[in-house]
Amino acid sequence: DTAVSQTPKYLVTQMGNDKSIKCEQNLGHDTMYWYKQDSKKFLKIMFSYNNKELIINETVPNRFSPKSPDKAHLNLHINSLELGDSAVYFCASSQFKSTEAFFGQGTRLTVV
Amino acid sequence: AQSVTQLGSHVSVSEGALVLLRCNYSSSVPPYLFWYVQYPNQGLQLLLKYTTGATLVKGINGFEAEFKKSETSFHLTKPSAHMSDAAEYFCAVTPNNAGNMLTFGGGTRLMVKP
Repeated sequence: DTAVSQTPKYLVTQMGNDKSIKCEQNLGHDTMYWYKQDSKKFLKIMFSYNNKELIINETVPNRFSPKSPDKAHLNLHINSLELGDSAVYFCASSQFKSTEAFFGQGTRLTVV
Repeated sequence: AQSVTQLGSHVSVSEGALVLLRCNYSSSVPPYLFWYVQYPNQGLQLLLKYTTGATLVKGINGFEAEFKKSETSFHLTKPSAHMSDAAEYFCAVTPNNAGNMLTFGGGTRLMVKP
């Protein structure tokens, strides 16, 4: 069983479209995250979310929004996609204030 | 605020040679420090971590790292490189009072020559 799973693995879409990436974890964790890895492999936190608090990296455009239907899922919605949104997006989970985060396999988003 | 600097975006070693990947951090509070490995087209896997206690930490696949507060460093080493170690390595930091939102360094690609 995959601990943190993301779908789809690859996503190619046109500028201006709205898309979602799904993330599910079966580890019983209470906190989930989204990270963005750009073309230079630089990783940056986008969001941290548990059932009490959403923490947003201030540099993330408001076209990006996380939605959590339950503790095991944190989906990433992106509106009005731009070329610069092309990247690999990683979902992760942990127990709040624990010392280890578990990462999904990543979703490679290509905006054309 | 935290930041992480990894010196050397690419490191090349011969199989059997020592691996040394450098990481320096800055943090306004005592940090938790991590090394993650990313194989091609894969997610990130935790190699090792420092939280408190012993400053020399051992991880998977024969890697270890030493937390040196005076040098604000957390360099990753392995005595003998194996071909399978070729990957991208990321050092990361999080303040010990702020959950687990990681700040990553820019990564170091390790290449292992036969």
